[in-house]
Amino acid sequence: DGGITQSPKYLFRKEGQNVTLSCEQNLNHDAMYWYRQDPGQGLRLIYYSQIVNDFQKGDIAEGYSVSREKKESFPLTVTSAQKNPTAFYLCASSTGGNEQFFGPGTRLTVL
Amino acid sequence: AQSVTQPDIHITVSEGASLELRCNYSYGATPYLFWYVQSPGQGLQLLLKYFSGDTLVQGIKGFEAEFKRSQSSFNLRKPSVHWSDAAEYFCAVGPSNDYKLSFGAGTTVTVRA
Repeated sequence: DGGITQSPKYLFRKEGQNVTLSCEQNLNHDAMYWYRQDPGQGLRLIYYSQIVNDFQKGDIAEGYSVSREKKESFPLTVTSAQKNPTAFYLCASSTGGNEQFFGPGTRLTVL
Repeated sequence: AQSVTQPDIHITVSEGASLELRCNYSYGATPYLFWYVQSPGQGLQLLLKYFSGDTLVQGIKGFEAEFKRSQSSFNLRKPSVHWSDAAEYFCAVGPSNDYKLSFGAGTTVTVRA
């Protein structure tokens, strides 16, 4: 079955640590996205990539980094510079400007 | 810049009653419009989309939405709600020539027996 997988489902981080969230898709989509979701705030775009080896900052990129070395993969690193990283993180993919397909999400908690 | 407003944070509806969720958008040209649904702790699932053509759009799970350009609205409706429709609903807008979507803050729907 085609789809988007995110791992891990739950992630715990100590303050000062970097953590990497995985996102893989087998839909052959060119574009991939990372969103952060906080209660009552909807989804906010962190980074997006329209093509391999290229990506753009979204609305809240500070404290995050990404890479896009393969079409199928778009990992997100939450760095120690992100002051309030506890949130639900969603990865999505799309073909051009069409609808985005979402993964199941990763819940990150800072201890 | 594009933006989306969902005026209702929380709606409670009885099972079998009708449901309407409001969505107002701000965008200079004809937008692409979407409604997504999210169950707790899960990702988002597309309910329906509007790109062009007929302004009444049918989606999955018995939902429909109507695009009204004059009111900059894209309201979601369902004639008879089931308990399984309890979830959070997001409206999103995007330009036809870009990849980025803007999401509303969401409306949580509670279904009472």
